[in-house]
Amino acid sequence: QKEVEQDPGPLSVPEGAIVSLNCTYSNSAFQYFMWYRQYSRKGPELLMYTYSSGNKEDGRFTAQVDKSSKYISLFIRDSQPSDSATYLCAPLSGGYNKLIFGAGTRLAVHP
Amino acid sequence: NAGVTQTPKFQVLKTGQSMTLQCAQDMNHNSMYWYRQDPGMGLRLIYYSASEGTTDKGEVPNGYNVSRLNKREFSLRLESAAPSQTSVYFCASREGTTNEKLFFGSGTQLSVL
Repeated sequence: QKEVEQDPGPLSVPEGAIVSLNCTYSNSAFQYFMWYRQYSRKGPELLMYTYSSGNKEDGRFTAQVDKSSKYISLFIRDSQPSDSATYLCAPLSGGYNKLIFGAGTRLAVHP
Repeated sequence: NAGVTQTPKFQVLKTGQSMTLQCAQDMNHNSMYWYRQDPGMGLRLIYYSASEGTTDKGEVPNGYNVSRLNKREFSLRLESAAPSQTSVYFCASREGTTNEKLFFGSGTQLSVL
């Protein structure tokens, strides 16, 4: 079993839709939970991170962690074509050499 | 502000050839990382350098060597390239204190024939 599982998609939605991107993980020691966004032919960039359980909101983006079910979510409200990218979840426990990346979910938002 | 710069952007090698991927950051970061990204596999850590003068193996170090030349530069060497090393390679850096953010370069697309 992989430590982090993520549906690869692609997920195609119309502009303005609410998008839900999800990851499951197996290691209960994970404490930081990050979401990276990766545009085509570019390196990933940090979108959001949360510590432990709960929600964190940043503009149209909300990150949610449920440690009891080992489930991580990223919600995008009022999705835009510029949100079209691959979204990687990345939980962390301990040093950054232990940072695990999910395989990523490809999102396409069409006008 | 250039951030993390990787060269080359594309490379094609024949099996058995060697090459070095270059990475430089201008953010005065302490820690630097090399990842490879393969379809369906996510990013996997090859080697990292927590600080100038130190390097350590990551998840998939076999077939690679690294050099932390100075605080700015961290190179990845393939001594004898194999088709299994066909991948996209990303260099990243991080301040290394309490800053959790990794800054990535734009990647090197490597094909080994």
